[in-house]
Amino acid sequence: SAVISQKPSRDICQRGTSLTIQCQVDSQVTMMFWYRQQPGQSLTLIATANQGSEATYESGFVIDKFPISRPNLTFSTLTVSNMSPEDSSIYLCSARDRGPLGTQYFGPGTRLTVL
Amino acid sequence: GNSVTQMEGPVTLSEEAFLTINCTYTATGYPSLFWYVQYPGEGLQLLLKATKADDKGSNKGFEATYRKETTSFHLEKGSVQVSDSAVYFCALSDLDAGGTSYGKLTFGQGTILTVHP
Repeated sequence: SAVISQKPSRDICQRGTSLTIQCQVDSQVTMMFWYRQQPGQSLTLIATANQGSEATYESGFVIDKFPISRPNLTFSTLTVSNMSPEDSSIYLCSARDRGPLGTQYFGPGTRLTVL
Repeated sequence: GNSVTQMEGPVTLSEEAFLTINCTYTATGYPSLFWYVQYPGEGLQLLLKATKADDKGSNKGFEATYRKETTSFHLEKGSVQVSDSAVYFCALSDLDAGGTSYGKLTFGQGTILTVHP
């Protein structure tokens, strides 16, 4: 299995600012993902973080708003840019391990509040 | 496209009661099915999974059987505990074209379970 940590665990930010969330996995994984979980809602996939290349974004999410990096197999960052109150959510990092078919694991999440 | 529908919540039970959380799915291919659990203030943890029809996934007293004929994957536990209070998510993932790895996870809306002593 993979153990995933995220920093920060929570933050309160002002409108118009940006926040970068870090995700670290304790083992090499094949794929990394970023999800958003709005209050009381299910998870929505933002993008797949690709090592050494641009992330693959889902419909409704764009690189200018959510730039993502993945410089190696165990680390990724998500930036929430030019924040507004509508960006208040839990942001979850996820990774797929190298086992047969690969099981997807999740980090503890970053709880973001935008004022 | 793929979709997952879970029973409406929240669900409130007394300790030692029987639990069922319904989950049905729509998929274009032959998906694998999962239950994830999210305890208060934490991320999601994989609870159990099943990869083919009639498979039964089980863990921590929870069970779910992959029913292809009814496109369902209902979660059950015979006797719940207060510590089972959490949000439960049903999810599915298709295999890629080569059948060697899972594609994206599609989640249901989650069901909040509260267990009282």
